[in-house]
Amino acid sequence: DAMVIQNPRYQVTQFGKPVTLSCSQTLNHNVMYWYQQKSSQAPKLLFHYYDKDFNNEADTPDNFQSRRPNTSFCFLDIRSPGLGDAAMYLCATSRDIGSRGEQFFGPGTRLTVL
Amino acid sequence: EDKVVQSPLSLVVHEGDTVTLNCSYEVTNFRSLLWYKQEKKAPTFLFMLTSSGIEKKSGRLSSILDKKELFSILNITATQTGDSAIYLCAFTTEAGTALIFGKGTTLSVSS
Repeated sequence: DAMVIQNPRYQVTQFGKPVTLSCSQTLNHNVMYWYQQKSSQAPKLLFHYYDKDFNNEADTPDNFQSRRPNTSFCFLDIRSPGLGDAAMYLCATSRDIGSRGEQFFGPGTRLTVL
Repeated sequence: EDKVVQSPLSLVVHEGDTVTLNCSYEVTNFRSLLWYKQEKKAPTFLFMLTSSGIEKKSGRLSSILDKKELFSILNITATQTGDSAIYLCAFTTEAGTALIFGKGTTLSVSS
């Protein structure tokens, strides 16, 4: 089945130790998104790729970076995780900008920072 | 600033009850409003609404949008324990790309 896959599902890192979260999709969608969802809060968009074009939200900290080496894969890099970065990180895709209303989400990676 | 407000924040009902969840919004250049269900995992898509007054229906769930009064409701009839989840309302704008989410309504259905 076509889907959005995130690895790992659970990630534990130490304060200040770089971590990379992975997302892959078999939907062949042009747009990939990364959201951060903290406990009891709504998902918040960090950035998105439209094909190879990277679009950062204005309030996304510099500590968060992303890479999209090809259509299928997108990575979230947290350069120096702080305790406040502990959250669920959701990857989502949509076919294109015009159909951005229907986004398909991966299962998420829950990040714990010790 | 664009915003979406959901009410109530939480709700506890008995199996078989009917519930109505509310979502109001203030959005510049509104494009669409979406409802998602989130259990202990990523949100799953329920409905996308772009036109006023047209009800979308899927099984026991239905939703409608009022673009004049700037709100949407999500109805769930004959609730089941499996309906327990956070229900998220989100919107998109003509200018933006992301879904802007509300804080959600936590629904608990007891047997």
